[in-house]
Amino acid sequence: LAKTTQPISMDSYEGQEVNITCSHNNIATNDYITWYQQFPSQGPRFIIQGYKTKVTNEVASLFIPADRKSSTLSLPRVSLSDTAVYYCLVGAGRRALTFGSGTRLQVQP
Amino acid sequence: DSGVTQTPKHLITATGQRVTLRCSPRSGDLSVYWYQQSLDQGLQFLIQYYNGEERAKGNILERFSAQQFPDLHSELNLSSLELGDSALYFCASSVVVGGQAVTEAFFGQGTRLTVV
Repeated sequence: LAKTTQPISMDSYEGQEVNITCSHNNIATNDYITWYQQFPSQGPRFIIQGYKTKVTNEVASLFIPADRKSSTLSLPRVSLSDTAVYYCLVGAGRRALTFGSGTRLQVQP
Repeated sequence: DSGVTQTPKHLITATGQRVTLRCSPRSGDLSVYWYQQSLDQGLQFLIQYYNGEERAKGNILERFSAQQFPDLHSELNLSSLELGDSALYFCASSVVVGGQAVTEAFFGQGTRLTVV
């Protein structure tokens, strides 16, 4: 099971770009990288998923280098409502939904 | 609204009691996952069911059990409750095709269990 390492917390200001990096040195060949967002007392919400290179959707981008041993979630121009915990998950099939400790992002005005 | 329904939203019970938490997955999702989240803690994976069969087990205590019924709804049974079982219990559902990646899992709003 690929273990993930993320910063415990990050601080930012409204309008800035935030990059959260996740390390997963023992990622397996068929593992995908998925990021979730969780607000207090709510269930996590899917943000983005990728296998390699770059993936972009309407809320975020995911950068994955060629060796796939890390990944970076990029949130463009954050707002106060982006204050949440962000989880990086690595896995496939039945192992795909194992959550780590997450990164607590605090966005200041 | 994720489409995953959990009931009840809140539950207060005494130590030693037994409770049942219910989860209705999104229409068409065959896979159901249960998680426990204690105050300011991460999500602990408990168990996964796929189309009625247990598929994966995480850190689930022997006092806890779950099942998925033919209509795909799932129940998590917690017995001999202790104060430390107080937590948010989340259910999630997803489409899982063979051993492929779970493209997206949808989480319910959770059941907040308080054991007094």
